[in-house]
Amino acid sequence: QSVLTQPPSVSGAPGQRVTISCTGTSSSIGARYTVHWYQQLPGTAPTLLIYDDNNRPSGVPDRFSGSKSGTSASLAITGLQAEDEADYYCQSYDSRLSAWVFGGGTKLTVL
Amino acid sequence: QVQLHESGPGLVKPSETLSLTCTVSGYSISSGYYWGWIRRPPGKGLEWIGTIYHSGPTYYNPSLKSRISISLDTSKNQFSLRLSSVTAADTAVYYCARSPCTSTSCYVDFWGQGTLVTVSS
Repeated sequence: QSVLTQPPSVSGAPGQRVTISCTGTSSSIGARYTVHWYQQLPGTAPTLLIYDDNNRPSGVPDRFSGSKSGTSASLAITGLQAEDEADYYCQSYDSRLSAWVFGGGTKLTVL
Repeated sequence: QVQLHESGPGLVKPSETLSLTCTVSGYSISSGYYWGWIRRPPGKGLEWIGTIYHSGPTYYNPSLKSRISISLDTSKNQFSLRLSSVTAADTAVYYCARSPCTSTSCYVDFWGQGTLVTVSS
């Protein structure tokens, strides 16, 4: 059971917009700890997609965006492409656990 | 470009100690940042193991704290993980990572490619 809750899977057709939610608690996302998102393509290491809620590292397309409100955060992907098919993880910090925490991951399928 | 590369045995016997080393190139680990380990068990999500600051303080996952040790070797630009008393539940792909941290969180900006460690007799 992950501390941050993500849907196990989402799907969308090419060109569509999808969102992935990440629900935390009052001691993690709700405590104003920032949220980060990673993309893990099959057979590869994760890569940083969004940091500090809504910032993109250089090289990440602006089709990817992050937002946060209350105890939840979201990753939005617009103009869905076949190469976006991957696992996506959110990550933050939990002060009650004194630990970095990850979501369980969401598998994105491009139909 | 910063690169990280894990090395170590791919098979460890139950009750023994898992030892991995991460070799960093393109950046001196004594210059800054936090350095740590994250794992992904088969069929499961990512789990933070622990982190060490460039000047030495360590931070461990409380669920693993009694079994973990992370250390730096700045002369070789490496850092290492030791996980004792392993069981099958410790079978995972282990990643080493570089982390920028602020007062509000840390994240990973560079990952190693990962190494599979299987715990089995």
